[in-house]
Amino acid sequence: EVQLVESGGGLVQPGGSLRLSCAASGFTFSTYWMHWVRQAPGKGLVWVSHISSDDSNTYYADSVKGRFTISRENAKNTLYLQMNSLRDEDTAVYYCVRDHGYTGSLDYWGQGTLVTVSS
Amino acid sequence: EIVMTQSPGTLSVSPGERATLSCRASQSVSSNLAWYQQKPGQAPRLLIYGVSTRATGIPDRFSGSGSGTEFTLTISSLQSEDFAVYYCQQYNNWPKTFGQGTKVEIK
Repeated sequence: EVQLVESGGGLVQPGGSLRLSCAASGFTFSTYWMHWVRQAPGKGLVWVSHISSDDSNTYYADSVKGRFTISRENAKNTLYLQMNSLRDEDTAVYYCVRDHGYTGSLDYWGQGTLVTVSS
Repeated sequence: EIVMTQSPGTLSVSPGERATLSCRASQSVSSNLAWYQQKPGQAPRLLIYGVSTRATGIPDRFSGSGSGTEFTLTISSLQSEDFAVYYCQQYNNWPKTFGQGTKVEIK
């Protein structure tokens, strides 16, 4: 069974940093592209970042470019999102998501971790 | 960035009736269009990819159609478990953008 379990969310002040982790199991993590998608309270889904299976390629939404860094450790079956210079508008549930067959559609989602940016 | 626009914002439907949800892209996304279902307090679930291919375990009352810039998700006979928010997503271009969602509620 595919499982994605996020951790690392919490309350942080504006300008602060946080690192999210996603532990993957039930599939060969090293062969899958992965994504982060976020959802502000009561709002819709927003794609945040992508990383290829061998981390040779990464992409970011303009709203987080230069502040967030996606990475992965295939030996540990773990995906990361380093978030720096956090802003109020980064407050959201962050989902770790598996790519469906190198397409960009998203077939398995974690339950999400809440990041709250507030003073 | 490709803008995805869904309509209507809210759809009120009685159980057993058909629901038709629309999604429009600001430019062609070819066949790189997916639909997701999200229930309150839950993560989204992939329903349809490649415009019309149902994901694993998705019942056949869900169907997708369209091409280019206009797409439709049809739920042929609404069951109680289908009342939720539905999102379309294009994955033809970076960034991978979502529509704002259509809420399907009980009439």
